[in-house]
Amino acid sequence: EAGVAQSPRYKIIEKRQSVAFWCNPISGHATLYWYQQILGQGPKLLIQFQNNGVVDDSQLPKDRFSAERLKGVDSTLKIQPAKLEDSAVYLCASSLNWASGTDTQYFGPGTRLTVL
Amino acid sequence: GQQLNQSPQSMFIQEGEDVSMNCTSSSIFNTWLWYKQDPGEGPVLLIALYKAGELTSNGRLTAQFGITRKDSFLNISASIPSDVGIYFCAGVTQGGSEKLVFGKGTKLTVNP
Repeated sequence: EAGVAQSPRYKIIEKRQSVAFWCNPISGHATLYWYQQILGQGPKLLIQFQNNGVVDDSQLPKDRFSAERLKGVDSTLKIQPAKLEDSAVYLCASSLNWASGTDTQYFGPGTRLTVL
Repeated sequence: GQQLNQSPQSMFIQEGEDVSMNCTSSSIFNTWLWYKQDPGEGPVLLIALYKAGELTSNGRLTAQFGITRKDSFLNISASIPSDVGIYFCAGVTQGGSEKLVFGKGTKLTVNP
């Protein structure tokens, strides 16, 4: 079974530029998550989708971050404009159905973003 | 927001030794999870705990869900070089939009 795919794996941009990350979840997984992992920290949830609807985006900096999952499968996360403090690994995860209560999240390899 | 205090921050051990790490919180969690993250990869689930007092094993790994629901520990017995990595605890919040809250991780180094 293929895992969660993410691209690109690495991205280097200058501050104030825009960047987009792509995630393809495990086939059949209804729930998709984007996490931000700053060096030396654990992942922090940015946004959670159930199919193509947003379940939780309370920790997403909405002035510069946006995410969509239009057809309920792939998702993109965008940062516009980027700041130095956005340098982090952005992890995508998916799960079968978060409402089940014992759902397991499977993580992709992440995109390492460096903002100069 | 809810925070998990994970300790120790890092450990340096010899191959064959046992390892113990723990996680505490001021908040109650419904579920405790332990993940391992290798360099350049995403976290991989090791053990999930769903009930206060539960003790669960996965090979050489053993984890327990604290009775107060505010803590958990992970033990690794007879460590081997491939145990190297960062171990994260995570708690699932109660009610509403249940989400994972991660600790800061314990970096494990195993000397052969």
